[in-house]
Amino acid sequence: EPEVTQTPSHQVTQMGQEVILRCVPISNHLYFYWYRQILGQKVEFLVSFYNNEISEKSEIFDDQFSVERPDGSNFTLKIRSTKLEDSAMYFCASGYSGGTNIGNQPQHFGDGTRLSIL
Amino acid sequence: GQQLNQSPQSMFIQEGEDVSMNCTSSSIFNTWLWYKQDPGEGPVLLIALYKAGELTSNGRLTAQFGITRKDSFLNISASIPSDVGIYFCAGQGGGSQGNLIFGKGTKLSVKP
Repeated sequence: EPEVTQTPSHQVTQMGQEVILRCVPISNHLYFYWYRQILGQKVEFLVSFYNNEISEKSEIFDDQFSVERPDGSNFTLKIRSTKLEDSAMYFCASGYSGGTNIGNQPQHFGDGTRLSIL
Repeated sequence: GQQLNQSPQSMFIQEGEDVSMNCTSSSIFNTWLWYKQDPGEGPVLLIALYKAGELTSNGRLTAQFGITRKDSFLNISASIPSDVGIYFCAGQGGGSQGNLIFGKGTKLSVKP
């Protein structure tokens, strides 16, 4: 079964450094998402991306964050200047492969990147 | 913003017992989803519900989309040790491919 894959599985970065998290969504999906999960807490939405632009974003997704689809397969999340509170699991998800049943195609998640800010 | 109240927060049960957990919201959702998360992994989709009143099964799992579209429950029958994990409900807000709003999770422990 097709999967969402994320790299790296664990990233350790000094505070203030830039970090790029990478995702390869399921190949025929058209919507892409980033979520984060702080240790022991619920999963929180960051941003969705469709047709090469941001579709929705949450309050968490401030100017330090950006997303990009640099080629036909990768979807990246960049944090420009990391803060201690950015430490979390970051999950990529993808959904919707086209057709009229846009609402009946659930999001599938990768295994996440654990980001640790020192 | 939209929030989901998921209960119970945790459950400790004996192998073979049935389990029930639920989510409620003050907001209406068009889609309810149930995910399971094992340690160090991402959420894995268990059941997706698209219509109010819909009752859907996936093996020993059964979930229902409340008629008011503000709640959902998940039942697991005859639990086994590999059912251990955290179960999250999620409501889909906004457009049909809108972001997911997650509950805080139900941590299930199964004693053999």
